[in-house]
Amino acid sequence: GNSVTQMEGPVTLSEEAFLTINCTYTATGYPSLFWYVQYPGEGLQLLLKATKADDKGSNKGFEATYRKETTSFHLEKGSVQVSDSAVYFCALSDRGNTDKLIFGTGTRLQVFP
Amino acid sequence: EPEVTQTPSHQVTQMGQEVILRCVPISNHLYFYWYRQILGQKVEFLVSFYNNEISEKSEIFDDQFSVERPDGSNFTLKIRSTKLEDSAMYFCASSGGTGGDQPQHFGDGTRLSIL
Repeated sequence: GNSVTQMEGPVTLSEEAFLTINCTYTATGYPSLFWYVQYPGEGLQLLLKATKADDKGSNKGFEATYRKETTSFHLEKGSVQVSDSAVYFCALSDRGNTDKLIFGTGTRLQVFP
Repeated sequence: EPEVTQTPSHQVTQMGQEVILRCVPISNHLYFYWYRQILGQKVEFLVSFYNNEISEKSEIFDDQFSVERPDGSNFTLKIRSTKLEDSAMYFCASSGGTGGDQPQHFGDGTRLSIL
């Protein structure tokens, strides 16, 4: 079945460091791919998305490119801030009749000043 | 910006009791979902609901679970006889359609604690 694999956390960085969180997927067909972020005490917020191969999703300085050849959707940011500290979830939509989301395990990011 | 709201934020219930978790999806959305996250584990799909019926459910969603859209705004998840292993964060989500251009929007979740 379809699945998502994320790098283990926590990822600990200093402010202004470069961030990469790896995400790979297994899917039949051509799913849409998402990154959701969960700030402490809050729900899941959509961070960015890509719906087809080679699409780049971007938001708030974060980017991820849908790579069909490597089945990856790695999240990157050039310069992280303390306020980026959160848990990041990679997900794919299982394109049946409902597009249910299949999530990775989440990666906790901690950014220190 | 419109948002999905869930109540209560925290529910504590004795094992064997019934519990109802409530959600108000975004008003013009048509697809509704429940997910759960057991502490320290990944977010898991439970059920999807469209056109007043369940469109898909996972193997977690057994006969103890049910969903309902009792009026034009609420979407509820009922657990008939709670078990210890039902303790988790439950998230409601809604979307305007299927396909990546209509992503799911999530509520802040209800933390369910079974004693």
